[in-house]
Amino acid sequence: DIQMTQSPSTLSASVGDRVTITCRASQNINIYFAWYQQRPGKAPKLLIYKASTLESGVPSRFSGGGSGTEFTLTINSLQPDDFASYYCQQYYDFPYTFGQGTKLEIK
Amino acid sequence: EVYLVESGGGLVQPGGSLRLSCAASGFTFNAYSMNWVRQAPGKGLEWVSYISRGSNTIYQLDSVEGRFTISRDDAGHSLFLQMNRLRDEDTAVYYCARGWELGQFDGFDIWGQGTMVTVSS
Repeated sequence: DIQMTQSPSTLSASVGDRVTITCRASQNINIYFAWYQQRPGKAPKLLIYKASTLESGVPSRFSGGGSGTEFTLTINSLQPDDFASYYCQQYYDFPYTFGQGTKLEIK
Repeated sequence: EVYLVESGGGLVQPGGSLRLSCAASGFTFNAYSMNWVRQAPGKGLEWVSYISRGSNTIYQLDSVEGRFTISRDDAGHSLFLQMNRLRDEDTAVYYCARGWELGQFDGFDIWGQGTMVTVSS
């Protein structure tokens, strides 16, 4: 199985900050990779797919990068709504696997 | 508007069975692959099962192989997960999630609200 390792597990930041979350795959997954945001008690929401393509309706302050084994999610100018948990996912091969998650907290 | 609505969760004893349903609306259901993803209380997301367009291809997590069965009814715009021989570790919120049309690979873009499955004696 492909292991997805996210870092950091917890991130403290302030409104207006720029933050970056990293995800590493245990093998090459090309660009078959996505980022999701999840607020407490809610379903996940797709932010980025194919590593860097912004999902329709997602604010442009979110951006994704990388390919192969290293991927990043950057959020520019954090807004109050952005404080949530974020998960990476590979869909290069089955079983599809998620990272363990990053909780973005208000500093 | 595009919707997925799960139902069928509940409290069941270890070794018991449940059948989850996911009703789809607002899109051409038979054009998309579909998935089940679960989340244990306080834990991260775990993909459980995949079914292709036309039900030709099915993949499942090793830990549910032989116990869970994914299926779909394209005429009824519904996805199902039959869960047998349930274990304590199957306790989770179960989400259905839309995959993609042929060749698109654009992530799980639509999710249901989730249905809670609790396995406990």
